[in-house]
Amino acid sequence: GQNIDQPTEMTATEGAIVQINCTYQTSGFNGLFWYQQHAGEAPTFLSYNVLDGLEEKGRFSSFLSRSKGYSYLLLKELQMKDSASYLCAVTPGGSYIPTFGRGTSLIVHP
Amino acid sequence: ETGVTQTPRHLVMGMTNKKSLKCEQHLGHNAMYWYKQSAKKPLELMFVYNFKEQTENNSVPSRFSPECPNSSHLFLHLHTLQPEDSALYLCASSPKTGSKQDSHVRANTQYFGPGTRLTVL
Repeated sequence: GQNIDQPTEMTATEGAIVQINCTYQTSGFNGLFWYQQHAGEAPTFLSYNVLDGLEEKGRFSSFLSRSKGYSYLLLKELQMKDSASYLCAVTPGGSYIPTFGRGTSLIVHP
Repeated sequence: ETGVTQTPRHLVMGMTNKKSLKCEQHLGHNAMYWYKQSAKKPLELMFVYNFKEQTENNSVPSRFSPECPNSSHLFLHLHTLQPEDSALYLCASSPKTGSKQDSHVRANTQYFGPGTRLTVL
């Protein structure tokens, strides 16, 4: 089976940097996604990693280490609107359908 | 604006009712999905349709019945539901799925609709 772990909740201050970790154990590996989901809204795509290393996209970056089964999402210059749930999803080998973690609820306070 | 719409946005039904959820995608995608999202739980995959053919049924009870008349529309028919079926039901689409020849990084990126908040009394 697939196992994806991420913290349930994190808090951070506006303007700061926060790192949300995700560890996974899957049968093979076909890529890892990060999604953002505001309360009552649809999850929206943030990033996709399939090779080791850091992918930077504006204030958001995502890192992957396949050998460690580990990823993180880095959010810089936090804004109040970044308060949301962040979902880590891993696509196992032989499949193109990701398995989702429980999500990390990020609360940004002034 | 995600390109994936769902109706209704909210639904309250009794255990003996029959209702349907509708999803429509305007992105030209070939794969569509139904997910269930309950509080404190991961997104649970329910059904997958690829080019209108059902390719996944994740041990979903028969009181949930999907229908995919074409690549743009997906329905979830509900009947004799239980209170524990109360959840947010999300529809998603992706360009394609199952293609081992396609190495484009966004080939299986899913685009979600806003969901239907279902309450079963």
